[in-house]
Amino acid sequence: EAGVAQSPRYKIIEKRQSVAFWCNPISGHATLYWYQQILGQGPKLLIQFQNNGVVDDSQLPKDRFSAERLKGVDSTLKIQPAKLEDSAVYLCASSFAPGGYYGYTFGSGTRLTVV
Amino acid sequence: DAKTTQPNSMESNEEEPVHLPCNHSTISGTDYIHWYRQLPSQGPEYVIHGLTSNVNNRMASLAIAEDRKSSTLILHRATLRDAAVYYCIPHYYTSGTYKYIFGTGTRLKVLA
Repeated sequence: EAGVAQSPRYKIIEKRQSVAFWCNPISGHATLYWYQQILGQGPKLLIQFQNNGVVDDSQLPKDRFSAERLKGVDSTLKIQPAKLEDSAVYLCASSFAPGGYYGYTFGSGTRLTVV
Repeated sequence: DAKTTQPNSMESNEEEPVHLPCNHSTISGTDYIHWYRQLPSQGPEYVIHGLTSNVNNRMASLAIAEDRKSSTLILHRATLRDAAVYYCIPHYYTSGTYKYIFGTGTRLKVLA
């Protein structure tokens, strides 16, 4: 089966600019996650969708980050305006079972550098 | 939330077994332990998971202590491709859904 697709692979922007990341999960996976991974740290959950509804967005900085999953398939994560501390790898993952009981499948991520 | 403690780094010689320990003394009785690994420039990859019994799959074995306060991921013959960061993660239920909390993991270096 095809994996989780993410684009772009790399992005460099100036602070205060906006940026968007796209994710296409594995077909049939109802649960989708966005994680932020800062260099040297483990991934941190930003938001979890079940179909097109938000299950958990408690760690999402809502003043600058937004995410949507229209039609319960693809998802977009946006940052506006970006700050230097947003430099990180943004990972998308999906799971068949709600909450990932049988594990998640991660994409390769988008590496964001804010200068 | 359950917390885990893992060594920051470990080394192994190629083709030798590797035992990666994890302490999860605060885990509850219904939390599964999942292990993932992250190769350079890739997203984390599922390795194995278990609740109480030891588990085996094609990638690794998972030995869970009888009191469930610790577990060990066993790679039977390390190869250079196994060099990665290994995460031990409690999979627990809260606020209507299951969650993972990733720690910083163990960076495994495999020596040729």
